[in-house]
Parts: sequence; structure tokens; C-alpha cells
Amino acid sequence: GENVEQHPSTLSVQEGDSAVIKCTYSDSASNYFPWYKQELGKGPQLIIDIRSNVGEKKDQRIAVTLNKTAKHFSLHITETQPEDSAVYFCAATSGWGNQFYFGTGTSLTVIP
Amino acid sequence: DARVTQTPRDKVTEMGQEVTMRCQPILGHNTVFWYRQTMMQGLELLAYFRNRAPLDDSGMPKDRFSAEMPDATLATLKIQPSEPRDSAVYFCASGLTQGDEQFFGPGTRLTVL
Repeated sequence: GENVEQHPSTLSVQEGDSAVIKCTYSDSASNYFPWYKQELGKGPQLIIDIRSNVGEKKDQRIAVTLNKTAKHFSLHITETQPEDSAVYFCAATSGWGNQFYFGTGTSLTVIP
Repeated sequence: DARVTQTPRDKVTEMGQEVTMRCQPILGHNTVFWYRQTMMQGLELLAYFRNRAPLDDSGMPKDRFSAEMPDATLATLKIQPSEPRDSAVYFCASGLTQGDEQFFGPGTRLTVL
């Protein structure tokens, strides 16, 4: 089955700096890679996703890159703000309603 | 504003008691997933359904956990009897087979004393 690894497990950055979270996956059949943000006491919320036919996707201050050959994908947050502080999860799936395989999460703290 | 709802939001019970958690998927969604989240294990998939049929429940302890979808608008997760190690946050998520996204509910925080 699929194995998703996520690094780092914790990350602290100064407000305004960039944050990068990296994930690797093992199954070449995976073709959809979402990123979720989970705030304290809430369920994970989808913030951005990328499909295997695309190498990069950007939405305002967040971007995701995918390297299919190396089987890794990354989340980039620029100009970080305190409200970006949360736990971020990556996931991989072969899509079409199949199960997601989640990384172990990264706890991001943005220091004002 | 379509969203996944879960009840109860918090549940405290004593060891040995039955616990039932409920989930209402987003209307029209035909896949439903149950996850358990703990500090040690992260997000674990317990079971998932497609068109109300269970596809995979290998993540569940079969002797005490059961998951069902009595109809398309309700999914249930039962634990009987509950044990302290079941203490966790249980999330339900729903999606579409012809799509990729999963949408999570707010979770049920279960504490078994």
C-alpha cells in the first residue's frame, strides 16, 4: 500500500518568513495530493491540492509543488501570519473516492 | 453552506459503556470515511463506504467497533464495549467517487474513563 512521510514534524518561523513542508509517497498510482490545515479543536480543512498532471499550483500565499519522478510534493507558505499557525497534513490517493493516506502532520508556529 | 456534521461533539463515558457516533455527510456525497486521531498515531482510517457499502474496515478492531450506513444521509460508528484506549477524536469525512476531495466534519472527542 501507499506510505506517506512528512517532514518536519514541527516548524517555527518568524512572521513574514516562508514555511516549507515536504512529503514523500511510495505508490506511483497516486495521482491526487491534497493538503489540509487543522486548527485546534477543529476538523482538517482542505487548503490546496494538486493532481499528477500538474507540477505546481498557487493560491495567493500558498503553493504546492509536485515531483512525480522523485515522488515528493511540498507545501510553501509565503509571508506567514500568526493565523497560519496550525497542524498541516499532506495526503496521497489514487483518487475516484479511494482512501487517502495521510502524513503524520507538521505543527507550524508563526511567531509574531 | 454544505458541510459534514457530527454528533455528539464531545462524549465522556465510562469503560464498558456503548458509544454511538453519528455523521451526516454532505448531501449528494457517496463516499464516507471514518478516521481516528490521536497524538501517537495521527489520522488513522477506520472504515469507509461507497454508495453505503463498506469497502474497507480493516482499520477497525472488529470485536468492539462497528460502522454502518443505514441510509445515504447517516453514517454511524459504534464502540461496544468502550475502553480507555479508545479515547481519541473521531472524524467523519465525505466525498464523491467522481471527485477527489474529502471534506471533514468537526469531529467527536471521546473520553473513556
